Amino acid sequence: EDQVTQSPEALRLQEGESSSLNCSYTVSGLRGLFWYRQDPGKGPEFLFTLYSAGEEKEKERLKATLTKKESFLHITAPKPEDSATYLCAVQAARGGATNKLIFGTGTLLAVQP
Amino acid sequence: DADVTQTPRNRITKTGKRIMLECSQTKGHDRMYWYRQDPGLGLQLIYYSFDVKDINKGEISDGYSVSRQAQAKFSLSLESAIPNQTALYFCATRGTGGGNEQFFGPGTRLTVL
Repeated sequence: EDQVTQSPEALRLQEGESSSLNCSYTVSGLRGLFWYRQDPGKGPEFLFTLYSAGEEKEKERLKATLTKKESFLHITAPKPEDSATYLCAVQAARGGATNKLIFGTGTLLAVQP
Repeated sequence: DADVTQTPRNRITKTGKRIMLECSQTKGHDRMYWYRQDPGLGLQLIYYSFDVKDINKGEISDGYSVSRQAQAKFSLSLESAIPNQTALYFCATRGTGGGNEQFFGPGTRLTVL
């Protein structure tokens, strides 16, 4: 069964304190791994797509990496405005045309000034 | 203006009532999706549509129906609302070219009393 597990469930950092969020996945053939940011009361905002092991993507203070079993979202010198829930999702490479995403439950990040 | 809009943003209804949630998009995407989000759970797929003539059930379609009125419009109906359908509902879109990422609307918070 395809599955996505995110850890930790919640993370509290001081401003400037770098850390990483983890997304472990089990999927029958990975078509893509996606990171989203979700602010309270809002829809998920797309951040990155990773397609193959070894791939890395960066955006401002965020860097996403991918291995065959997990992905990390590294946050360098975070600021309070980085506080949000970060969601990970995978898409399986199955036969057929579906683009269904399987989501993890997210990591709630709080960055204190 | 937002690319993906949802109406209403908040709705309180009573058990047994029929309600409709609407989604419109200006991204020109063919593929549209309805998800629900519950605290502590990942986003779950309710229905998806690849074009106006194509409707598919997701993981949790029981108690829901959809209508794809046009390429840009995808509505979700609860035929007879029940309290455990209280959740956040999100519409998402995806284009047929480029990456596989989905783009989400701002969500509808539905409360069924």
